[in-house]
Order: sequence, then C-alpha cells, then structure tokens
Amino acid sequence: GENVEQHPSTLSVQEGDSAVIKCTYSDSASNYFPWYKQELGKGSQLIIDIRSNVGEKKDQRIAVTLNKTAKHFSLHITETQPEDSAVYFCAASQRGADGLTFGKGTHLIIQP
Amino acid sequence: DSGVTQTPKHLITATGQRVTLRCSPRSGDLSVYWYQQSLDQGLQFLIQYYNGEERAKGNILERFSAQQFPDLHSELNLSSLELGDSALYFCASSPLESGELFFGEGSRLTVL
Repeated sequence: GENVEQHPSTLSVQEGDSAVIKCTYSDSASNYFPWYKQELGKGSQLIIDIRSNVGEKKDQRIAVTLNKTAKHFSLHITETQPEDSAVYFCAASQRGADGLTFGKGTHLIIQP
Repeated sequence: DSGVTQTPKHLITATGQRVTLRCSPRSGDLSVYWYQQSLDQGLQFLIQYYNGEERAKGNILERFSAQQFPDLHSELNLSSLELGDSALYFCASSPLESGELFFGEGSRLTVL
C-alpha cells in the first residue's frame, strides 16, 4: 500500500517569512495529492490539492509543487501570518478522496 | 463550519467498556469516512461507507465496527476498549467518490 512521509514534524518561522513542508510517497500510481489544514479544536480543511498531470499550483500565498519522478511534493506558504499556525497534513491517493493515505502532520508555528 | 456533525465531542471511559461515536454528514453527501488521529500516527483511515454500504477498510481493529444508516448518518462502535484506543476520532463526508473530504470537529476519546 501507499506510504506517505512528511517532514518536518514541527516548523517554527517568523511572521512574514516563508514556510515549506515536504512529503514523499511510495506508490507511483498515486495521482492525487491534497493538503489539509487542522486548526486547534477543529476538523481538517482542504487548502490546496494537485493532480499528477500538473507540476505546480498556486492559490494566493499558498503553492504546491509535485515531482513525480522523485515522488515528492511540497507545500509552500509565503508571507506567513499568525492565522497560518496550525497542523498541516499531506496525503496521496489513486482515487481522489477514496483511499487517501495521510502523512503524520507538521505543526507550523508562526512567531510574532 | 464544515457541515459534518460529530457527537460526543469528548468521552471518558474505562478499559473494557464500549462506546458509540456518531456522525451526521453534510446534506447530500453519500460517502462517510472514519479516521483515528493519535499523537504519533497522524490521521489513520479506518473505514468508509457509501450510501449505506461498506466501501473500503483501512487499519480498523476487529473490536471496532461501523455502519451507515438509511438517513446516511454513521456510527462507529468501539468495544473492549484499551488504553491505546485513546485518540481523536474524525468523521468526514464527501459528495462524490473523488471529491473533497469535509471533516467534523472530532470526538476525543480518553480510556482510563
């Protein structure tokens, strides 16, 4: 089955700086890679996703890049703000929301 | 608010006991997923139901069972509880087989 590794487990950055979270996956058949954000006391929420026919996708301050050859994908957050503090999960699957395998999460801390 | 409702929010019980967690999906969503989140394991997929039928199984223990009712709400039953079952249990729903997951706020189970 699929195995998703996520690094780092904790990331602390100064407000206004950029943050990068990296994930690797094992199953070359995976073609859907979402990122979810979990704020304290809340359920996870999809913030961006990418499919294997695309190398990069941007949405305002958030971007995701995918390297299919190396089987890794990354989340980039620019101009970080206090509200970006949360746990971020990457995931991979072959069938969209079905069969998603999640990484163990990254606790992002934005220092004022 | 994701539209997914989970009850109870918090539950404290003793080893050997049985509990039932309840999930009401977003209106119109046919798929319901259950995930377990512990500190060191991230989001672990347990089981998925689609329109009342079991669709996929993940790392669900034999002591755990679930069902989806005709009104599409779902229940996760956890029996013969052990200390290691203490975790956050999330329910998510999705409108289509390949759609976005919408997570509830979770049920925090503490087994003493």
